[in-house]
Amino acid sequence: DTAVSQTPKYLVTQMGNDKSIKCEQNLGHDTMYWYKQDSKKFLKIMFSYNNKELIINETVPNRFSPKSPDKAHLNLHINSLELGDSAVYFCASSKGDSSNSPLHFGNGTRLTVT
Amino acid sequence: DAKTTQPPSMDCAEGRAANLPCNHSTISGNEYVYWYRQIHSQGPQYIIHGLKNNETNEMASLIITEDRKSSTLILPHATLRDTAVYYCIVRSGGSNYKLTFGKGTLLTVNP
Repeated sequence: DTAVSQTPKYLVTQMGNDKSIKCEQNLGHDTMYWYKQDSKKFLKIMFSYNNKELIINETVPNRFSPKSPDKAHLNLHINSLELGDSAVYFCASSKGDSSNSPLHFGNGTRLTVT
Repeated sequence: DAKTTQPPSMDCAEGRAANLPCNHSTISGNEYVYWYRQIHSQGPQYIIHGLKNNETNEMASLIITEDRKSSTLILPHATLRDTAVYYCIVRSGGSNYKLTFGKGTLLTVNP
């Protein structure tokens, strides 16, 4: 009964490849997010979707493209992977973008680019 | 969103109360104080949040000073499993919900 689940948990790939990370939430939330945690452990927001519509897009290279097929899913596709993309990527969800409901995070996908 | 200042690390004995301070002197009237924690290799976990009044739930208590410029998260009986990085975050209500995480406080609970 995991609330926010991400797959895969670990992803090792070579530079130049294209990869996707999937996220699903079963909480009935309207809003989903992608956060990136780098090697220095800083957590930074990348994207936010509300009801399948993009509402936050931080300064992220356009090699990163989120896709939300429905409210329960927010996938992250990364083209032409670079060494600097190595990080832990966290998906999260919350109940609406204008409420004060807390975020629920998945357990992360550790991406290693070699 | 207002910035927060937290000590980089703290220690606490198992079974004792852990009091984690947070300074948010530039907080504005409509900004909430949130606390999250991140246990090693896991995603951040919501703990508690508040606006003006003190709050308590099954995990912790949040004490906000009257001028709202600082707050304290209290874990009443810390256990070894409470060892984690604790983040104090201030954000406003409304659209473009965006939590900005700082460096947090590494709380180590010792046996």
